[in-house]
Amino acid sequence: EAGVAQSPRYKIIEKRQSVAFWCNPISGHATLYWYQQILGQGPKLLIQFQNNGVVDDSQLPKDRFSAERLKGVDSTLKIQPAKLEDSAVYLCASSGHLGTEAFFGQGTRLTVV
Amino acid sequence: GEDVEQSLFLSVREGDSSVINCTYTDSSSTYLYWYKQEPGAGLQLLTYIFSNMDMKQDQRLTVLLNKKDKHLSLRIADTQTGDSAIYFCAEDPGGSQGNLIFGKGTKLSVKP
Repeated sequence: EAGVAQSPRYKIIEKRQSVAFWCNPISGHATLYWYQQILGQGPKLLIQFQNNGVVDDSQLPKDRFSAERLKGVDSTLKIQPAKLEDSAVYLCASSGHLGTEAFFGQGTRLTVV
Repeated sequence: GEDVEQSLFLSVREGDSSVINCTYTDSSSTYLYWYKQEPGAGLQLLTYIFSNMDMKQDQRLTVLLNKKDKHLSLRIADTQTGDSAIYFCAEDPGGSQGNLIFGKGTKLSVKP
């Protein structure tokens, strides 16, 4: 079974530029999560989708971050404009439905300079 | 507020047991989890325990839960160099298993 796929693996941008990350969840998984993991800290949930609807985006900085999951499959997370403090690993995870194990992708490491 | 606390570092010798401790705050969490993260890799679910249990054993892993003190521990028996990684404790206040609150992680170093 293929795992959660994310791209790119690494990205370096200058502050005030925009960037987008892509996630392809495990086939058939209805629930998708985006986490932000700053160096030295545990992951923090940014947004949770159930199919193509948002379940929880309370910790998403909506002035600069946006996410979508068109057609309830792939998802993109965008940052515009980026700040230095956005440097982190962005992890995508998916689960079959609420209440089952979430599987994580390898993440995208973003460096903002 | 919600917070999960862990010690940041643990160093053990190969063959010894490792014990990683965690305290959490939300008594309504349905499950409590241990994840492993190796360098450059995503998070791998190691094991979890249902909140009405006080112990779970899975091969070399033993999870102990003290719900009264909100204390969770992970014991790795016969620790190997391949166990070197960062271990995260997590709770799920909403019971969704994906909407998790993570600790900062404990870096386990195993010396040969």
